[in-house]
Amino acid sequence: DTAVSQTPKYLVTQMGNDKSIKCEQNLGHDTMYWYKQDSKKFLKIMFSYNNKELIINETVPNRFSPKSPDKAHLNLHINSLELGDSAVYFCASSQILSSEQYFGPGTRLTVT
Amino acid sequence: GESVGLHLPTLSVQEGDNSIINCAYSNSASDYFIWYKQESGKGPQFIIDIRSNMDKRQGQRVTVLLNKTVKHLSLQIAATQPGDSAVYFCAEKLGNQFYFGTGTSLTVIP
Repeated sequence: DTAVSQTPKYLVTQMGNDKSIKCEQNLGHDTMYWYKQDSKKFLKIMFSYNNKELIINETVPNRFSPKSPDKAHLNLHINSLELGDSAVYFCASSQILSSEQYFGPGTRLTVT
Repeated sequence: GESVGLHLPTLSVQEGDNSIINCAYSNSASDYFIWYKQESGKGPQFIIDIRSNMDKRQGQRVTVLLNKTVKHLSLQIAATQPGDSAVYFCAEKLGNQFYFGTGTSLTVIP
């Protein structure tokens, strides 16, 4: 069974569209994250979220919003997509205060 | 934001040799330092971590060294194997936030 799964794996869309990426973890973790990895492999945290606290990286545009229907899911909604949003997006999870994160396989977003 | 950097973007080693991947960090308040391995087309995978009050930790074929005086972290891989070829990231943990370095691409030459 996949520990952290993301859908879709690939997403190609046009500028201005709104899209969502879904993430699910079956590890019973209480904290989930979203990361963006650019073409130079740089990984940047976007959000961390548990049932008590959402921490947003201040550099993330407000077009990006995490939505968590329950503890096992953290979806990423992106409004008004821009060319610069093209990247690989990774979801991850961990137990709170743990340094060991489990990453999903990534979603490659291409904005044309 | 936090700054975590790596000294070398690429590293090539002969199979069977030891590999050393270095990392510099900037925030003395980080409570953990972590190494991740990312294979092509996959998400990063946790390798080993070290708490900020330690200076050395060993795992299976890997050793992490932490030098807080110069804010330097290293990952040593013993008897490097072709399966070790990947991009390696160091990261620092501050509270519930993680800050990753730019990555070092390790290539193992058979």
